[in-house]
Amino acid sequence: ELKVEQNPLFLSMQEGKNYTIYCNYSTTSDRLYWYRQDPGKSLESLFVLLSNGAVKQEGRLMASLDTKARLSTLHITAAVHDLSATYFCAVQPQETSGSRLTFGEGTQLTVNP
Amino acid sequence: EAQVTQNPRYLITVTGKKLTVTCSQNMNHEYMSWYRQDPGLGLRQIYYSMNVEVTDKGDVPEGYKVSRKEKRNFPLILESPSPNQTSLYFCASSFSTGFEQYFGPGTRLTVT
Repeated sequence: ELKVEQNPLFLSMQEGKNYTIYCNYSTTSDRLYWYRQDPGKSLESLFVLLSNGAVKQEGRLMASLDTKARLSTLHITAAVHDLSATYFCAVQPQETSGSRLTFGEGTQLTVNP
Repeated sequence: EAQVTQNPRYLITVTGKKLTVTCSQNMNHEYMSWYRQDPGLGLRQIYYSMNVEVTDKGDVPEGYKVSRKEKRNFPLILESPSPNQTSLYFCASSFSTGFEQYFGPGTRLTVT
């Protein structure tokens, strides 16, 4: 059974600080996705990482994938209040076809002024 | 506007009364999925579909049925709902595997 673990699950940080969210998974995969969910809202796609060493950046967020370590990171640079949300990673096992996805529990990020 | 729509958005029902949650996308996407979201458990995939008439089970398919008769629609059917199916349900679609998913607004279901 594929396990996807995010840590931390809760993160409270000050504006202007940097931090990293970690996503570990238990099976071979080269397809990892990051999503954002605002309170009471749906999910929004942030990044799609499709190979070992993939790095993508959008604004203050940067995601990377290390398939050998089975680890993805979401790095936040100089956090601002607007980044407060819950962030999910999701993994597609390499041996499956289609859109089989397993999500992590989510990291609830609060950025304080 | 590219979007995934779900109906109803909110539903309160009783145990055993069959219900259908509809999902429709206007992006000509081949892949569609259903998820349920429960506190502390993240999102769990119920069923997914790779094309018309092609569906497969996700992590928690028990108690649910799906069908994909048209490319744009992917309804979720609960033949005999039970209280443990009280949850927030999301439908999502994507062009193919390896592409971002677009999520619907969610359906909050309560089964009493």
